[in-house]
Amino acid sequence: QSVLIQPPSASETPGQRVTISCSGSNSNIGSTTVSWYQQLPGTAPKLLIYNNDQRPSGVPDRFSGSKSGTSASLAISGLQSEDEADYYCAAWDDSLNGVFGGGTKVTVL
Amino acid sequence: EVQLVQSGAEVKEAGESLKISCKCSGYTFGNYWIDWVRQMPGKGLEWMGTIFPDDSDARYSPSFQGQVTISADKSITTAYLQWSSLKASDTAVYYCARRVVSGYDILTGHYIAFFESWGQGTLVTVSS
Repeated sequence: QSVLIQPPSASETPGQRVTISCSGSNSNIGSTTVSWYQQLPGTAPKLLIYNNDQRPSGVPDRFSGSKSGTSASLAISGLQSEDEADYYCAAWDDSLNGVFGGGTKVTVL
Repeated sequence: EVQLVQSGAEVKEAGESLKISCKCSGYTFGNYWIDWVRQMPGKGLEWMGTIFPDDSDARYSPSFQGQVTISADKSITTAYLQWSSLKASDTAVYYCARRVVSGYDILTGHYIAFFESWGQGTLVTVSS
């Protein structure tokens, strides 16, 4: 059981918007920033969102992040077939250990 | 360009020792934490621990404390993850990642940090 809770799967048709939630507690998300990672099949994770809502250069603005209290969300708008991947949220706990969500598999119908 | 290049796949038997590596380039190696992350077959990401190469300060997740050793060699800008006695349950892909600290929240006492660059992963297969 992962420390951060994500839905195992999400799906939507091309062009639509999908949102992935990440639920934590006051000892992790509630007191740190959240980052999101995209893992395409058979590849290493890639940074998608950092500091709750910041995109690294090269990440399309279709990807957006937000945080409120002890939860965070990742939204993908204008869904494309190449967005099919696993998505993970991450934060830090009070002992400064890294914590991940269990991952959400996004399927483009 | 920041690059983290990991050593190749390993096939071992239970009880054997192993040390895998993460060669870093394109930045000042000593100034950034290097983290290790496990991904068991078909499962999610798990944070194992980290090291600050400048002084070799290593920290471990409670789940991995005593099970692995993280080290670094500044002279060759390489971080390592090692086992003294592998188990079949150590079968997984292991990733190294460079942690970027972008700030400090004085209210919570937390650093604002994320895993900016990742190695390609090292598959470790342990047979029983």
